[in-house]
Amino acid sequence: NAGVTQTPKFQVLKTGQSMTLQCAQDMNHNSMYWYRQDPGMGLRLIYYSASEGTTDKGEVPNGYNVSRLNKREFSLRLESAAPSQTSVYFCASSVTGSRDEQYFGPGTRLTVT
Amino acid sequence: QKEVEQNSGPLSVPEGAIASLNCTYSDRGSQSFFWYRQYSGKSPELIMSIYSNGDKEDGRFTAQLNKASQYVSLLIRDSQPSDSATYLCAVRRGGADGLTFGKGTHLIIQP
Repeated sequence: NAGVTQTPKFQVLKTGQSMTLQCAQDMNHNSMYWYRQDPGMGLRLIYYSASEGTTDKGEVPNGYNVSRLNKREFSLRLESAAPSQTSVYFCASSVTGSRDEQYFGPGTRLTVT
Repeated sequence: QKEVEQNSGPLSVPEGAIASLNCTYSDRGSQSFFWYRQYSGKSPELIMSIYSNGDKEDGRFTAQLNKASQYVSLLIRDSQPSDSATYLCAVRRGGADGLTFGKGTHLIIQP
């Protein structure tokens, strides 16, 4: 049982390049989330998917798109990367429900130059 | 705007003592409350969840919730050097909403 996995672990992009961050979970969870963590700002929600086929914006969605490919996979795409998107990105999942706990993947450290 | 406030620290505690971490939140509609531990360069790891007023104990950890005061705390008994980390408080309004995090408290356990 791998839990939540993310690829890649590290990535360097030039301004304007695009890329997709991949996330998968093997816990049969319904809900999945993308957060970014910046020094001094804490973790902030980018997008989430309450269930397969649905996605919703979080606190900081601008510059990102997401796809809930199936129940297991939730990807985050940067269409035109900007230096302000330099961050550590975490994917998380939960079963769903008001009392369900979220479990985090290992993260992707992204640098945009 | 939903806010979660934590003292950034560092909070320095002698080994074997009790570490007390505090958190306040602004959204009175919050229903679920969580404590995560994060080591440097690693992802957040869930320690405790609490949903009702009062105390919840799990091993050396006790979470305390007071919804009237909008206050959550985490006590770590018999603190160990391995407890040295950043502790993140997180709250959720309900359903499948994402979490709102505080910026974390850096805890140092001195041997």
